[in-house]
Formats: sequence, C-alpha cells, structure tokens
Amino acid sequence: EPEVTQTPSHQVTQMGQEVILRCVPISNHLYFYWYRQILGQKVEFLVSFYNNEISEKSEIFDDQFSVERPDGSNFTLKIRSTKLEDSAMYFCASSEQGERADTQYFGPGTRLTVL
Amino acid sequence: KQEVTQIPAALSVPEGENLVLNCSFTDSAIYNLQWFRQDPGKGLTSLLLIQSSQREQTSGRLNASLDKSSGRSTLYIAASQPGDSATYLCAVRPRGRDDKIIFGKGTRLHILP
Repeated sequence: EPEVTQTPSHQVTQMGQEVILRCVPISNHLYFYWYRQILGQKVEFLVSFYNNEISEKSEIFDDQFSVERPDGSNFTLKIRSTKLEDSAMYFCASSEQGERADTQYFGPGTRLTVL
Repeated sequence: KQEVTQIPAALSVPEGENLVLNCSFTDSAIYNLQWFRQDPGKGLTSLLLIQSSQREQTSGRLNASLDKSSGRSTLYIAASQPGDSATYLCAVRPRGRDDKIIFGKGTRLHILP
C-alpha cells in the first residue's frame, strides 16, 4: 500500500541553524501538508500546499518557515534559523484531491531536536 | 473556533475488556472525523474516517460512531489486547475554507496483560 515517507527520522541541530525536513508524498496525491507536535501537546497544522503554492498557513508558520516542491516527488519544510521551541515531531501528509472530505495520509514524522 | 476534547486523558483496562474512548468537538460544521493511533515517538496511523453524512464506521474490532448534532464521537474497541496500547487521537476536518485537520490531545490507553 502506498505511503508517505519522511527523512530523516531524527534531526539534531544547534539553535540558529537551518534545517530541511523532507517528505515524499503518495505519488498520485496533489495536496500536501505539514503538521507539528510538540512533546505532550496536540498535533497542530502548519501549512497546506497545492499547485506549487501555499493554500493555507497557520499563525505558527511565520517567515522562518518555508515549503517547496523542488521536483515531482519531494516536498520539503525549511526552518531558516531554528529556535529551541521548534523542537517537535514534524508530520507530512498528503491527500489525493484536497476535497474537504478527502483523507489525509500521514508520514511517520521527523523528530527535530534543537539544542 | 473549533476545539476537540478527548476524555479521559489516560485509561488502563485489563486485557479482554471492551472499552470506549470519547471525543467531543465544539462546532458541528465538519466534513469528517477521523480516529488515529499513535505509538510512543511514532507517526499517526489512521484507523477510521467517518464522513459527516455517516453515523459509524467499523474495522475489525474497532467501531467509531459520530453524532454530529451533539458534537460527539466514540471509538469502541472490542476484546482489547496488549497490542492495542497506544495513544488514540480524534481529529475533525472543519467545514469552510480551511485545509487543516484539528486534533484532540488524545487518550493514552494501556491494556494490562
């Protein structure tokens, strides 16, 4: 069964460094999402992406964050200058059509630790 | 603003028992509701998705119900097993222009062998 994959599974970085989290959505999906989960807290929406542009973003997704689909298969989340509070599990998701009733399929997550 | 609440936060039951996890949401204007399983430090596994027009969905020993008008959903697990131990998350897709899913904080379930 097709699945969303994410790399790396765990990333450790120093505060102020740039990180890029990578995701490979399911191949025929057109809508892509990033969520994050700070330890012990709820999973929170960050951003959705369709047709090579952001379709929605939350207030968490400030100028330090950016997303890109650099080729036909990858979807990336970049954090320009990491802060301690960026430490979290980051989940990528994709959906086939983006219709509101459509299922979002989640990847296994990347655990980001900022020191 | 849509809020999703799950009670209890944690639950321990002996193996073999049937159990019910509860989820409530504040705004009944949703496209669907989804139950996920999350193992410690791991990703999200979708268990069941109920569209707003549906009342319940079943998969194996799992049954999820949806009462949209009252803003409630339950996840019923029959004949619980130690392998069912995990955190169960409820999430709704609000109606409107939003793309996002809104999650509850989860119920941490421990099945005692």
